[in-house]
Amino acid sequence: DVKVTQSSRYLVKRTGEKVFLECVQDMDHENMFWYRQDPGLGLRLIYFSYDVKMKEKGDIPEGYSVSREKKERFSLILESASTNQTSMYLCASSFRTSGRATGQETQYFGPGTRLLVL
Amino acid sequence: AQKITQTQPGMFVQEKEAVTLDCTYDTSDQSYGLFWYKQPSSGEMIFLIYQGSYDEQNATEGRYSLNFQKARKSANLVISASQLGDSAMYFCAMREALTGGFKTIFGAGTRLFVKA
Repeated sequence: DVKVTQSSRYLVKRTGEKVFLECVQDMDHENMFWYRQDPGLGLRLIYFSYDVKMKEKGDIPEGYSVSREKKERFSLILESASTNQTSMYLCASSFRTSGRATGQETQYFGPGTRLLVL
Repeated sequence: AQKITQTQPGMFVQEKEAVTLDCTYDTSDQSYGLFWYKQPSSGEMIFLIYQGSYDEQNATEGRYSLNFQKARKSANLVISASQLGDSAMYFCAMREALTGGFKTIFGAGTRLFVKA
């Protein structure tokens, strides 16, 4: 079974703190993703990575950065946390595919981190 | 523009009955993939079912089936014989081949309540 783990289930931080959210997958997936989930907005993509040391901005990258030094690990960094970053953060991974959609691109998610910024 | 639309914020269903969760999508690509995920109150997103745009048969996985109507651009999830454990948020998602499989777009979700 695919296993995606996230370092914390719940996190409480203060405004201005630097926050690290870690994600690890054990399926040798090339692609990894960070989403935030807010009520009524579904999942919104923050950043994704399709290879080690590669990263691409998603739809809402402002206020975030990422790091992918190893294939299995993808970190989300909040340089200076703000209250509007209080949210549920979900990490996902998938195989890299191109061309015709086959189903191999299915993303598998970690359990999520509920972050509260005070 | 909204690419995935789930028009039902919440749905109720009686235990053991079937329920259909609606999903419509918008894409100009010929090759795309459609997914349904379940999110229980624990928060984890659980992959349920996949349908490729070239697949001629509707996808089925146990009690889950995807009613794929390509011309109408709809991909409704049908859950047969609902169970109390089916109470959760359900998300429809789409992957577009043109983006190289790097992005998947999610709908806003439908919350399903199964009544005993």
